Amino acid sequence: DAGVIQSPRHEVTEMGQEVTLRCKPISGHNSLFWYRQTMMRGLELLIYFNNNVPIDDSGMPEDRFSAKMPNASFSTLKIQPSEPRDSAVYFCASSPDLSGANVLTFGAGSRLTVL
Amino acid sequence: SQQGEEDPQALSIQEGENATMNCSYKTSINNLQWYRQNSGRGLVHLILIRSNEREKHSGRLRVTLDTSKKSSSLLITASRAADTASYFCATDLQGAQKLVFGQGTRLTINP
Repeated sequence: DAGVIQSPRHEVTEMGQEVTLRCKPISGHNSLFWYRQTMMRGLELLIYFNNNVPIDDSGMPEDRFSAKMPNASFSTLKIQPSEPRDSAVYFCASSPDLSGANVLTFGAGSRLTVL
Repeated sequence: SQQGEEDPQALSIQEGENATMNCSYKTSINNLQWYRQNSGRGLVHLILIRSNEREKHSGRLRVTLDTSKKSSSLLITASRAADTASYFCATDLQGAQKLVFGQGTRLTINP
């Protein structure tokens, strides 16, 4: 298995532009998580899905952020409009089953810079 | 606020020495996990210890858990330069079904 695949790896955009980050989880994993990592705030859980259904989006910073999981093999995190404070590394992770031990496999991350 | 907090924030030791990192948390957990992150990469799962376990080993890693003190420690024995990375504890909260990560310990192994 190729692991969790994220794209793009790097994105530089200007304030106000729309940003879409993509994630392909490991085949057979039922749960998908979006995290954001910054020096100041560390790793923050933004949202997670189980069987393609959003379970907890309490970590989504504001309405500018939205996430979807249209099927078991694809998820997107969208920021519209983007702001400089959104600059961070965004990680997607998947796990086999929420009901058991929740061991996550992380993607390589998408480094976002908003100018 | 962060559920897990690691101590120390940074640790620098000589190759061959043992490295110990600590993690404290606030609420009841199902299990506690440790992850490693190399610079510019994603996190990699190292070891999981359940709330009813007190100690677990995996290769050069030893993890302890004290639920009465709400704390865990990760010991890396006979450290190598390749162990240089950030190490995070993550707590799987009871009733929450999500992993909450601490701020991490940045470990540097000097050759």
